[in-house]
Amino acid sequence: AQSVTQPDIHITVSEGASLELRCNYSYGATPYLFWYVQSPGQGLQLLLKYFSGDTLVQGIKGFEAEFKRSQSSFNLRKPSVHWSDAAEYFCAVGDEQAGTALIFGKGTTLSVSS
Amino acid sequence: GAVVSQHPSWVICKSGTSVKIECRSLDFQATTMFWYRQFPKQSLMLMATSNEGSKATYEQGVEKDKFLINHASLTLSTLTVTSAHPEDSSFYICSWVSRYDGYTFGSGTRLTVV
Repeated sequence: AQSVTQPDIHITVSEGASLELRCNYSYGATPYLFWYVQSPGQGLQLLLKYFSGDTLVQGIKGFEAEFKRSQSSFNLRKPSVHWSDAAEYFCAVGDEQAGTALIFGKGTTLSVSS
Repeated sequence: GAVVSQHPSWVICKSGTSVKIECRSLDFQATTMFWYRQFPKQSLMLMATSNEGSKATYEQGVEKDKFLINHASLTLSTLTVTSAHPEDSSFYICSWVSRYDGYTFGSGTRLTVV
């Protein structure tokens, strides 16, 4: 079955510190992998996506993610967190060429302390 | 980039009434779209998949007679919550998928049933 696991429900990081949010997936075919961010009461904003090519993907707002096929992981990283990064982060898997629905992980809430 | 318009952004209705949510792709056409529901502090849960010209496919546990989907064209889909009850209060998000534009999300509709 297709699924996405985000093991960390809530993470608190000091402003300026590095961040890594974990994501593991289970998917039958080669997946498209995504990271979205959602601020309270808002819609989703795409941070980055991966399908093929370089396994290190650069996104917006200084985020990057690394695809590791052997670990079925697609972890999100940022070298220096800003207070404005506090939000909910969702990892998702799907296949936009096949037109299947995105399956989302449960999300990780990021808090940033000063 | 691809833009999706979702209206209304928020709505309050009385218990027992029906509410219609509209999701329109503004600058692209796509055959397939999805409706998600998100309860507070939870992830997006797929409600249904809709293809233009076909009946929607509902996920297990989603009542098709309660959540009516009308996929009128390649650019317009509506979700009608019939006989709404307080437990239907949630954040509803639509998404379109196309080979050229990938996944595009609406900004969401906050439904409150009183």
